[in-house]
Amino acid sequence: AQSVSQHNHHVILSEAASLELGCNYSYGGTVNLFWYVQYPGQHLQLLLKYFSGDPLVKGIKGFEAEFIKSKFSFNLRKPSVQWSDTAEYFCAVSLYNTDKLIFGTGTRLQVFP
Amino acid sequence: DGGITQSPKYLFRKEGQNVTLSCEQNLNHDAMYWYRQDPGQGLRLIYYSQIVNDFQKGDIAEGYSVSREKKESFPLTVTSAQKNPTAFYLCASSSKQGWGYTFGSGTRLTVV
Repeated sequence: AQSVSQHNHHVILSEAASLELGCNYSYGGTVNLFWYVQYPGQHLQLLLKYFSGDPLVKGIKGFEAEFIKSKFSFNLRKPSVQWSDTAEYFCAVSLYNTDKLIFGTGTRLQVFP
Repeated sequence: DGGITQSPKYLFRKEGQNVTLSCEQNLNHDAMYWYRQDPGQGLRLIYYSQIVNDFQKGDIAEGYSVSREKKESFPLTVTSAQKNPTAFYLCASSSKQGWGYTFGSGTRLTVV
């Protein structure tokens, strides 16, 4: 069965530190890749998505992600985090031409001033 | 503004009772979904519907039921057969295959 793994369950950083959250998926075919963010008390919002083309994708709020097909990975990065980035981050995968999104278990990020 | 409305935000249910969670969208999206979110487990798919009057089971459909009589509405009923119904329930919709979802703000169900 297809699955999405997020190995970092809880990450704690100071402001201005760099961030990298891991995401790996298990599926050999063509996929679409997403990162969603859930700020405290708010609904899930799309940070960025990858369908095809340049494997380095830029999203909102200074986030970016790199698709490495050979590693089945789609890691999320930000050069310098802010306190307002405190949230839970979910990686998700949909199989090409399907509707269903498969989510990872999420990574809780806490940023301290 | 277009979006997804879930109601109520908080819901309490006694054991043995069925309860229905509402999800309405005005985005003109064809597909709608119900997910359950539990701490440390991410989002798990309960049911989804790609078109009116049609729906499919997701990964954890047991103890749940849905209907899709209108494009805008996709209510979820949590039945008494659901063994562990206390959770945060999220409704989502999408306009095109594989393009990602728009989420509602969720309903937190607590069984007392």
